[in-house]
Amino acid sequence: EAGVTQFPSHSVIEKGQTVTLRCDPISGHDNLYWYRRVMGKEIKFLLHFVKESKQDESGMPNNRFLAERTGGTYSTLKVQPAELEDSGVYFCASSQETGRPKNIQYFGAGTRLSVL
Amino acid sequence: AQKITQTQPGMFVQEKEAVTLDCTYDTSDPSYGLFWYKQPSSGEMIFLIYQGSYDQQNATEGRYSLNFQKARKSANLVISASQLGDSAMYFCAMREGFRYAGKSTFGDGTTLTVKP
Repeated sequence: EAGVTQFPSHSVIEKGQTVTLRCDPISGHDNLYWYRRVMGKEIKFLLHFVKESKQDESGMPNNRFLAERTGGTYSTLKVQPAELEDSGVYFCASSQETGRPKNIQYFGAGTRLSVL
Repeated sequence: AQKITQTQPGMFVQEKEAVTLDCTYDTSDPSYGLFWYKQPSSGEMIFLIYQGSYDQQNATEGRYSLNFQKARKSANLVISASQLGDSAMYFCAMREGFRYAGKSTFGDGTTLTVKP
């Protein structure tokens, strides 16, 4: 079974440009999460989808970030326009809706975004 | 205040020896889950072990065990018989409340190096 896949693995763009990150969750996982790690600090939550609906977007830094999950399958995270402080590693994770405490979030390898 | 604290930025261990990676957490919610993830150089975050706040026994998964001290709010990861492949960054994470599919909060991570 395929794990969580993210594309691209690395993106280098200039300040002011637009970048779109993609995440394909594990098949059948209703929950999809975006996190990011900036400058070697802790991994911070951005938002959480349940199927195609945004369950929690409290971690989105500002309106330059737009996440979508059309059809409840893959998700995209667009940054427009990108700023220097957006550089970091963006992780995607997915989990089943088990209704139990041990609800493991499975992560992808991340997209490393460098804004120059 | 940070909810997850990993005080060891880097740790070294001799191959075949045991090592303990520290994690303390802060929450007022009686229901929570604690997770450890491993991130090798390939970038993917790999789930290792889970401990629920109501679990009576410490979690174990193969060579990994979790030393859960609820009163101290600590959830240290113990790796027995270290192998060279254990060299990686390790993250402690917590999920609070009965929203089992909610966001996770992470620590800064500990880089473990296993020496031959």
